[in-house]
Amino acid sequence: QVHLQESGPRLVRPSETLSLTCGVSGDSMRTYYWSWIRQPPGKPLEWIGYVYTTGRTNYNPSFKSRVAISVDTSKNEFSLKLTSVTTADTAVYYCARDDTTGVIDFWGQGTLVTVSS
Amino acid sequence: DIQMTQSPSSLSASVGDTVTLTCRANENIKKFLSWFQQTPGAAPKLLISVASGLRNGVPSRFSGTGSGTDFSLTINSLQPDDFATYYCQQTYKTPYTFGEGTKLDI
Repeated sequence: QVHLQESGPRLVRPSETLSLTCGVSGDSMRTYYWSWIRQPPGKPLEWIGYVYTTGRTNYNPSFKSRVAISVDTSKNEFSLKLTSVTTADTAVYYCARDDTTGVIDFWGQGTLVTVSS
Repeated sequence: DIQMTQSPSSLSASVGDTVTLTCRANENIKKFLSWFQQTPGAAPKLLISVASGLRNGVPSRFSGTGSGTDFSLTINSLQPDDFATYYCQQTYKTPYTFGEGTKLDI
């Protein structure tokens, strides 16, 4: 069974870049999309985007100008970068697996990233 | 973006009750809908995909129906572990979008 684990700084200053990595174990990364989803405190879930193992990406237009998702299959990991963050970007960030039909079947435990000076 | 509206936003019930949660899309999403269960501090857990497909390991007291714009999740004979927040998500097209959730409490 696949296991996902987020890692990265928990505190980011406003206007700086949020960077997270997701380690994948227990299954091959091939034939899936690898996604980032976030949940601001007390709010619903928001899909950020995904990356395929070829490097092809698909982003939520709400983030498109600020987001980059990349993959390194040799390390079994994928990453999220979100630039120019504000306090509105404070959220629990989840990495997850998409079976390529939009069905998000496995999730990491999530990591709370706080944007604050 | 496709908007997903869930109702009710909260619901109180008792162990043993049967409840039905609804989710409406603002355009036709055929059967491309997932349901998730989330407990406080935990990641969402996929219960149902393509509107009615129960995922492996999910108890059969959960069932999903619907197509087009209107969907429902029914939980029969509520168990203590079922008190959680439930989200629907459309998987018809990107950006994938979620409903605002239904909080089910005792």
